Amino acid sequence: DVKVTQSSRYLVKRTGEKVFLECVQDMDHENMFWYRQDPGLGLRLIYFSYDVKMKEKGDIPEGYSVSREKKERFSLILESASTNQTSMYLCASSTSTEGAFFGQGTRLTVV
Amino acid sequence: GQQVMQIPQYQHVQEGEDFTTYCNSSTTLSNIQWYKQRPGGHPVFLIQLVKSGEVKKQKRLTFQFGEAKKNSSLHITATQTTDVGTYFCAENTGNQFYFGTGTSLTVIP
Repeated sequence: DVKVTQSSRYLVKRTGEKVFLECVQDMDHENMFWYRQDPGLGLRLIYFSYDVKMKEKGDIPEGYSVSREKKERFSLILESASTNQTSMYLCASSTSTEGAFFGQGTRLTVV
Repeated sequence: GQQVMQIPQYQHVQEGEDFTTYCNSSTTLSNIQWYKQRPGGHPVFLIQLVKSGEVKKQKRLTFQFGEAKKNSSLHITATQTTDVGTYFCAENTGNQFYFGTGTSLTVIP
C-alpha cells in the first residue's frame, strides 16, 4: 500500500513562528503536493514539485515556501505563521498518470 | 487556473435513496478521477476514467465520463450511512491535479 505520512496530526503554533510541516512518501512518486483545505473552499494548491529540488507555485503560495531535497520528502514552511494560516494541510504524492495519494492531514492552529 | 465545476455543493438524502454528483468543464478533460473524503479524514482515490463515454462500476457506485470528455458523474444507488462524506472529481494533467469543489453528502438514517 502507498503510504504518505505527515509528521503531525495536530499542531498549535504562535503568530510569527516559523513552522515546518513534513511529508514523506514511500512509493517513489515523482510528484508531490501541498494543499490546504478550508470549509467551503475545497482543496487549494499551495506548491507542488515534480522532481527533486524542483518546485512550482500553486494557486495560493503567498506566505509559504517548500523544500524537496530528497525524492521521498516534501516540506512545507510557513515563514512567519499568521492566524489566517490556521487550516487543514494535506500532502499528496502521485505518478503522472495515476491518482493522488494523500497523507492523513495536519490540522494547524495559529494563535 | 483550470476550472472543474461540481454540483451540487451539498446533498441530503434518506438512506436507501440514490445520489448523483456532477462535474463539468469548459475544456476537454484528458481524464477524470473521483475521490471520497470521509468526515475528519483525507481524500481517498476511487477511480480514473480516460475514454470518451466510459462507464465503470464499483459495487453501488457508477462512474461515467461524457462523450465529449467535458463532464462526468458519480451515481450511488441505494445510499447507506457509510457513503457519508465529500466526493471530489479531479483531472490529472501529468504533474498537477485540478479538483472540483466537492459535493458533501449527508445520509439520513
